[in-house]
Amino acid sequence: DTEVTQTPKHLVMGMTNKKSLKCEQHMGHRAMYWYKQKAKKPPELMFVYSYEKLSINESVPSRFSPECPNSSLLNLHLHALQPEDSALYLCASSPSDSPLAEQYFGPGTRLTVT
Amino acid sequence: QKEVEQNSGPLSVPEGAIASLNCTYSDRGSQSFFWYRQYSGKSPELIMFIYSNGDKEDGRFTAQLNKASQYVSLLIRDSQPSDSATYLCAVNFYTGRRALTFGSGTRLQVQP
Repeated sequence: DTEVTQTPKHLVMGMTNKKSLKCEQHMGHRAMYWYKQKAKKPPELMFVYSYEKLSINESVPSRFSPECPNSSLLNLHLHALQPEDSALYLCASSPSDSPLAEQYFGPGTRLTVT
Repeated sequence: QKEVEQNSGPLSVPEGAIASLNCTYSDRGSQSFFWYRQYSGKSPELIMFIYSNGDKEDGRFTAQLNKASQYVSLLIRDSQPSDSATYLCAVNFYTGRRALTFGSGTRLQVQP
């Protein structure tokens, strides 16, 4: 089963709110990813965790704060977002961070910042 | 700057025809290549991955890789209206950061 779950499915938040996105996988994958996708654009990589350690941060603003509490869970904490941060936020996982490893995406969280 | 290029389309094919989607990439040292299908409003779904030159077949889908020419393609045989979606090509550039770089996607329309 190649399932990655994400909650919530939809989130509306004001610019002063603090919220968190959650991602979970039970496939024993050791690499997990956060992507941001705007309409009609490809996914853009934000963060990569490999064996629960942050290995890539694509110069993402500090109002996005990732966390990997254990090998199955990935969180993205949001604070003081801007309307232009409205997008589909995708979590993905792969068996390892090997360049040959395939990535599986979760269903995404549709975020609207008002 | 490592790049992945796709024609944005739309590529329109009649039902039952073969749809051919193409992708070129800039880094000759790339090792792994992935095709994702994305329906409007949904997340990308992995369809195929290929590492070696040649063809790889899975049901109605065939991925083709030519490393010398730096292109990868996806053939969809017996296209169905349900295949209408955006197809994203993704490459893991082995040199530098180990993460997928996506093309902008090709929108496929299968006409009944």
